[in-house]
Amino acid sequence: QVWLQESGPGLVRPSETLSLTCAVSGDSISSDYWWTWVRQPPGKGLEWIGEMFHRGTSNYNPSLKSRVSISVDKSRNQFSVNLNSVTAADTAVYYCAATSPSWQQLRYWGQGTLITVSS
Amino acid sequence: QTVVTQEPSLTVSPGGTVTLTCASSAGAVSSVYHPSWFQQKPGQAPRALIYNANNIYSWTPARFSASLLGDKAALTLSGAQPEDEAEYYCLLWCGGAWVFGGGTKVTVL
Repeated sequence: QVWLQESGPGLVRPSETLSLTCAVSGDSISSDYWWTWVRQPPGKGLEWIGEMFHRGTSNYNPSLKSRVSISVDKSRNQFSVNLNSVTAADTAVYYCAATSPSWQQLRYWGQGTLITVSS
Repeated sequence: QTVVTQEPSLTVSPGGTVTLTCASSAGAVSSVYHPSWFQQKPGQAPRALIYNANNIYSWTPARFSASLLGDKAALTLSGAQPEDEAEYYCLLWCGGAWVFGGGTKVTVL
C-alpha cells in the first residue's frame, strides 16, 4: 500500500511557476512505480500531465511538455512537478498518483490539491 | 494528439446493466493501449477499477467487468447499485503518452 499527499501554494500568479510536491509513504520512492501527476479543472475531466520512473525516465503530455517537469527526491521520498508560465487555464485540482508494475495504471492516488491561478 | 472518446452520459436502472465504451481517434483500441478504468464520485479523488484491459483490483466490486469490444475498450456494470452513480474515465496509452477519455456520467435511476 502506498499513500500519497500533495502539498502546494494554493494560489499562483499568472506567468509564474506552479510547484507541487507529493509525499510518498508506505514504500520507497525508489521502488518500481511510475510517479504521476494528473489534473482536473473545476467541473471538467481528468488530464494526464506526466510521469517519471525513479531511474529518471519520464513521459509528458505533449500539450504541456514545453512547460512541465517532474522530478524525484530520493532523500525525502517525494516527487514534484513544476509547471511554468501558468495562466488561468492551469487552475485545477492537481493529483499525484502512482502506477504499479504490470500496467496497474494510477493504482494509488493522493487526495488532490486545488491550485488557483489568479492575480 | 490522440483524442479518447467516451459517452458523455448514461442512465441505468437499479439492478440493470450498462456498458461504457472508450474509443481512440488513432484507430481500434487493442491490448497495446493498456486500457484502464477509473471511478470518480463528487468531491473525491478518482479510484482505479480496472487495469490492462480486463483485470480487476481486490477492491473492485464483482459487478464491474471490462473487455475489448470491437474496436473499443468497454466497461460493463451488471446489477447497478445506487452507489455506482459516478463519473467513469478510461485511460489509454497512445504513442508515448497517456490520454484520458472525457468521462461518462452514469446515473442510476
